[in-house]
Amino acid sequence: AQSVTQLDSQVPVFEEAPVELRCNYSSSVSVYLFWYVQYPNQGLQLLLKYLSGSTLVKGINGFEAEFNKSQTSFHLRKPSVHISDTAEYFCAVNFGNEKLTFGTGTRLTIIP
Amino acid sequence: DSGVTQTPKHLITATGQRVTLRCSPRSGDLSVYWYQQSLDQGLQFLIQYYNGEERAKGNILERFSAQQFPDLHSELNLSSLELGDSALYFCASTSGASIGELFFGEGSRLTVL
Repeated sequence: AQSVTQLDSQVPVFEEAPVELRCNYSSSVSVYLFWYVQYPNQGLQLLLKYLSGSTLVKGINGFEAEFNKSQTSFHLRKPSVHISDTAEYFCAVNFGNEKLTFGTGTRLTIIP
Repeated sequence: DSGVTQTPKHLITATGQRVTLRCSPRSGDLSVYWYQQSLDQGLQFLIQYYNGEERAKGNILERFSAQQFPDLHSELNLSSLELGDSALYFCASTSGASIGELFFGEGSRLTVL
């Protein structure tokens, strides 16, 4: 079955520390991978995407993600977080059909 | 501002009632998606329309229906509402030219009492 897993529902991180948000998927077909961010009381906004090519993808606000096909993962990283990064982060996968399947989200809390 | 407009932003209604949520996609976008976000289910895909035609269907209840009009705006109709239908309903649009790059509205928060 095709699925998207974000194991960490909440991640607290000190300001200026690095962070990694994990995303794994299950699929036997080629996929397209995305990270979206949802700030409080707002809709979702695309952070970055992997469609093909280099497995290291850079996005907005200093975030990057690496596609690992053998581990079916697409973890999101940032070397130094800021208070403004407080938000919910969603991993999403296109399994070759018309829709995006989202993970359950990871709430990132930045501790001053 | 994503360019996707959803109305109303908040809606409170009673069980058994019917509501209509409206979405205006970004200018030029032909594809509209509806998602439901709730605490226990996360973000669930409901339905997609492309240029007026239903393209894909997800976990949409029979009590729910949607359509996309010739001017490309879309409406999601929820009827015989139950307490469990309380959620944030998002509309997203895309031109279809870039896979997965959905532009989301700010959502319509539905509370069923």
